[in-house]
Amino acid sequence: DTEVTQTPKHLVMGMTNKKSLKCEQHMGHRAMYWYKQKAKKPPELMFVYSYEKLSINESVPSRFSPECPNSSLLNLHLHALQPEDSALYLCASSQAQSRTGGEQYFGPGTRLTVT
Amino acid sequence: QKEVEQDPGPLSVPEGAIVSLNCTYSNSAFQYFMWYRQYSRKGPELLMYTYSSGNKEDGRFTAQVDKSSKYISLFIRDSQPSDSATYLCAMSGAGNTGKLIFGQGTTLQVKP
Repeated sequence: DTEVTQTPKHLVMGMTNKKSLKCEQHMGHRAMYWYKQKAKKPPELMFVYSYEKLSINESVPSRFSPECPNSSLLNLHLHALQPEDSALYLCASSQAQSRTGGEQYFGPGTRLTVT
Repeated sequence: QKEVEQDPGPLSVPEGAIVSLNCTYSNSAFQYFMWYRQYSRKGPELLMYTYSSGNKEDGRFTAQVDKSSKYISLFIRDSQPSDSATYLCAMSGAGNTGKLIFGQGTTLQVKP
């Protein structure tokens, strides 16, 4: 089973709201990733967690706050977002974060609209 | 110049055609090459994962890597309307972060 699940599927939030995106995998993978994807663009890496520790932060604004409560779960906490943050947010996982990048398996994404 | 170049298309072919999708790259340190398929409003799905130069076949899909030319290809035989999607190439192996570098994606439409 190579399934990564994400909730919610859609989210509309105002600029003053606080919300969270959730991601879960049960493949025993120890690396988990958050990507942001705008229309007709490739995914852009935001964060990487390796063995539940933050390994890479691609200079993401602090209004995005990642959290990895355990090896199966990844959260992305959102606060005071801007309309330009509207995008598809993708979670991915791989066996490990290595120089190969590993075979990364993506979830279906959360489509976020900031009003 | 982008590290990975991919023609965004769109590419339109009749059902049953052989489709060739390509990416070029500039960083000779890349060693791991992937192709993802992404349907509209869905997450990318890993199709092929290859290491270094050579060919890899999986059903109707064949991935080719030519490191000497810094060129990778994905061939789809007997294309079907269900193959209509955006195809993203990705590569890694430069540095130790494991970061994937994506191409822009090629939009493919297979017409019945």
